[in-house]
Amino acid sequence: ETGVTQTPRHLVMGMTNKKSLKCEQHLGHNAMYWYKQSAKKPLELMFVYNFKEQTENNSVPSRFSPECPNSSHLFLHLHTLQPEDSALYLCASSQQREPHEQYFGPGTRLTVT
Amino acid sequence: GQNIDQPTEMTATEGAIVQINCTYQTSGFNGLFWYQQHAGEAPTFLSYNVLDGLEEKGRFSSFLSRSKGYSYLLLKELQMKDSASYLCAPLDSNYQLIWGAGTKLIIKP
Repeated sequence: ETGVTQTPRHLVMGMTNKKSLKCEQHLGHNAMYWYKQSAKKPLELMFVYNFKEQTENNSVPSRFSPECPNSSHLFLHLHTLQPEDSALYLCASSQQREPHEQYFGPGTRLTVT
Repeated sequence: GQNIDQPTEMTATEGAIVQINCTYQTSGFNGLFWYQQHAGEAPTFLSYNVLDGLEEKGRFSSFLSRSKGYSYLLLKELQMKDSASYLCAPLDSNYQLIWGAGTKLIIKP
């Protein structure tokens, strides 16, 4: 595997379900990110981890819970989601040095019913 | 505040040249990225500018003027596969990318 991988690619869940999204990067980067992308809206940064430590939490509701067990893996735990949470969830990674280019995974298309 | 301004949509003809403009306001500045995003896919890196001037990379070039808070992406010899959204994303003082809604580019034969 190369680059940034995400699983699952598609997920349909009910509002009472609990599920997790997984991201893995094979680039030796030390920063990882979760983004939400809704139709025709800018990418919304949700969480940032640098060297496994969470450094950003952009007022994300507590029904989204991130976990970063090591610098290569990132999870997003989901519970009691709302239909408006349906979106494309993108994981990215970068080095914490110039140019700080972010590499994205293919995303998980989430539908909350 | 932080703000990115790009045209919402542009149309161009196959084989032609198109310039996508971006103006930005950020808290600090550590460079600017352009990404390409095809519908339903992840953004992919196109270019990075940190100093004023033009960076050329094959059919794509990107220009930056830090004093004007302005950048553009120039696409030459347009191909149908260039139909995508183009995202201008400056890097702020915390080294976080600030994203606009992007410009949807439609290429017609």
